[in-house]
Amino acid sequence: GQNIDQPTEMTATEGAIVQINCTYQTSGFNGLFWYQQHAGEAPTFLSYNVLDGLEEKGRFSSFLSRSKGYSYLLLKELQMKDSASYLCATMDSNYQLIWGAGTKLIIKP
Amino acid sequence: IAGITQAPTSQILAAGRRMTLRCTQDMRHNAMYWYRQDLGLGLRLIHYSNTAGTTGKGEVPDGYSVSRANTDDFPLTLASAVPSQTSVYFCASSGSRGGGDEQFFGPGTRLTVL
Repeated sequence: GQNIDQPTEMTATEGAIVQINCTYQTSGFNGLFWYQQHAGEAPTFLSYNVLDGLEEKGRFSSFLSRSKGYSYLLLKELQMKDSASYLCATMDSNYQLIWGAGTKLIIKP
Repeated sequence: IAGITQAPTSQILAAGRRMTLRCTQDMRHNAMYWYRQDLGLGLRLIHYSNTAGTTGKGEVPDGYSVSRANTDDFPLTLASAVPSQTSVYFCASSGSRGGGDEQFFGPGTRLTVL
């Protein structure tokens, strides 16, 4: 079956670094996406990885290991506005996105 | 219009009633999608469209229908609403369905079926 696992909730301190993990099992693999979703709002795109390695984009970085079925999103220099849910999604062999339930990140001052 | 819009923003509906959720995008994207989002679950794909004139079934299509008469519009219809269809519905679009094209999401429709 297809499955995406990520922690339900994480807490971090303003200015710190946090790593949100995602493990997946899908039928085929055509890349992994990370989205950010603030409470009551729509998801917005953060990153896309299709090859192994680290992709850096400002304060956010995303890592992928296809052999391990594993990804993480790294957020540096945390700001209060980073309080949101972070959604991991993989694209399967039918080009359908399979979504995790999301990780709610709480930032404390 | 800028991006992707949905209407209504929210709706309370009696069970058994018919309801159409509207979605319009102005980005000339080929692919469009309808998802539902329920607490504790990931987004689940209801229906999708690769291009105008074509539609396909997603993970949870039962009780829903869609049409894609043109590039911009992708309405979702609940023929006879049931309480289990209470959810937040998101419409999304992307340049194409494959590869790394990001999906752009509308603001969502919060639907309650009583």
